Amino acid sequence: GAGVSQSPSNKVTEKGKDVELRCDPISGHTALYWYRQRLGQGLEFLIYFQGNSAPDKSGLPSDRFSAERTGESVSTLTIQRTQQEDSAVYLCASSTTYGYTFGSGTRLTVV
Amino acid sequence: SQKIEQNSEALNIQEGKTATLTCNYTNYSPAYLQWYRQDPGRGPVFLLLIRENEKEKRKERLKVTFDTTLKQSLFHITASQPADSATYLCALVEDTGRRALTFGSGTRLQVQP
Repeated sequence: GAGVSQSPSNKVTEKGKDVELRCDPISGHTALYWYRQRLGQGLEFLIYFQGNSAPDKSGLPSDRFSAERTGESVSTLTIQRTQQEDSAVYLCASSTTYGYTFGSGTRLTVV
Repeated sequence: SQKIEQNSEALNIQEGKTATLTCNYTNYSPAYLQWYRQDPGRGPVFLLLIRENEKEKRKERLKVTFDTTLKQSLFHITASQPADSATYLCALVEDTGRRALTFGSGTRLQVQP
């Protein structure tokens, strides 16, 4: 597609439930990134995929968070047993070399 | 500790003036630094990249400077317009080989007509 697509755009879930967020990167972009942005704050790095290399998971805040990527296409970010502190906008970006292209994000609200 | 600091207070300027936004970093060795624009409810949009061996980069009304001695980047918008109102984020990649960008928290710019 023309841009990075994320779904759903909004998700409200009950505390303790699992959620899955999806990212469709730009075709041909080998690198894919997930970030979290809490209200009024900057972007917090979560995880980075580059081609077939092992992902850089150094930003995942706890073992409740995991992500997968199929080849150089779709990625899913899974949050298990959601907590209220997980409420944020989750942003996905893809890139070739320099300059990320971001999706519009998934706004997650844990109630 | 490592920090990327941007002025958290909004910058208000009059249309036609030059807006200057500051990004300071501590305990990083950037390979390059990038600036992004973010509008409410949207993801950031890439604007400019400047490498560690570059002093200045320009693109239309935008100019970025990079001073590795001061550990600072300045982002300028000349002849500012109300449509330039947004939050501007700086981000850097370290020279460690790790590719992921680390972002500052952004500065909100409001251009008054």
